Amino acid sequence: KQEVTQIPAALSVPEGENLVLNCSFTDSAIYNLQWFRQDPGKGLTSLLLIQSSQREQTSGRLNASLDKSSGRSTLYIAASQPGDSATYLCAEAGKSTFGDGTTLTVKP
Amino acid sequence: EPEVTQTPSHQVTQMGQEVILRCVPISNHLYFYWYRQILGQKVEFLVSFYNNEISEKSEIFDDQFSVERPDGSNFTLKIRSTKLEDSAMYFCASSEQTLIGYTFGSGTRLTVV
Repeated sequence: KQEVTQIPAALSVPEGENLVLNCSFTDSAIYNLQWFRQDPGKGLTSLLLIQSSQREQTSGRLNASLDKSSGRSTLYIAASQPGDSATYLCAEAGKSTFGDGTTLTVKP
Repeated sequence: EPEVTQTPSHQVTQMGQEVILRCVPISNHLYFYWYRQILGQKVEFLVSFYNNEISEKSEIFDDQFSVERPDGSNFTLKIRSTKLEDSAMYFCASSEQTLIGYTFGSGTRLTVV
């Protein structure tokens, strides 16, 4: 059974800083990996989907990478803004496994 | 951009009552899912549904839960006899194909009193 772990559990950074969120998974046969954002009390917004044949995906200030051999995915956020404050979740796309999430706070 | 729509946004029910949570998935999507999130906890998988039958379910999805696609557009989650511990956000999601990634609805907050 796939286990997904996210570290750190919480992260606080000043505005403008670049940062990296980590997602680890136990089964390297992962098909796709999806990153989501969740604001307090809200639903999950899909940020990036990396398919198994890809190594990374980019959308604006976000870049996600996938290294199946090491069982890791990272979400890189460039030039962070207070509006980026949220919980970031990773999951094996279309499967049942979610990480616990990293709660990001970007201070003005 | 197509959305997954969930209704109601918030429902309060008395313990022991039946509730039906409703979802309208994206129209060309074939795979449907229900998740729940207890306040402050992780997103938990409940069930996946394809071709009018359950394809996978978790240990949480016991006999008090059921899902149905009553028509071509709706996907429902029924909880037969609610318990206090059923209080949570319930999210519906859909995907065009399996393992391709999913789109989530904004959730229904269920409060059992």
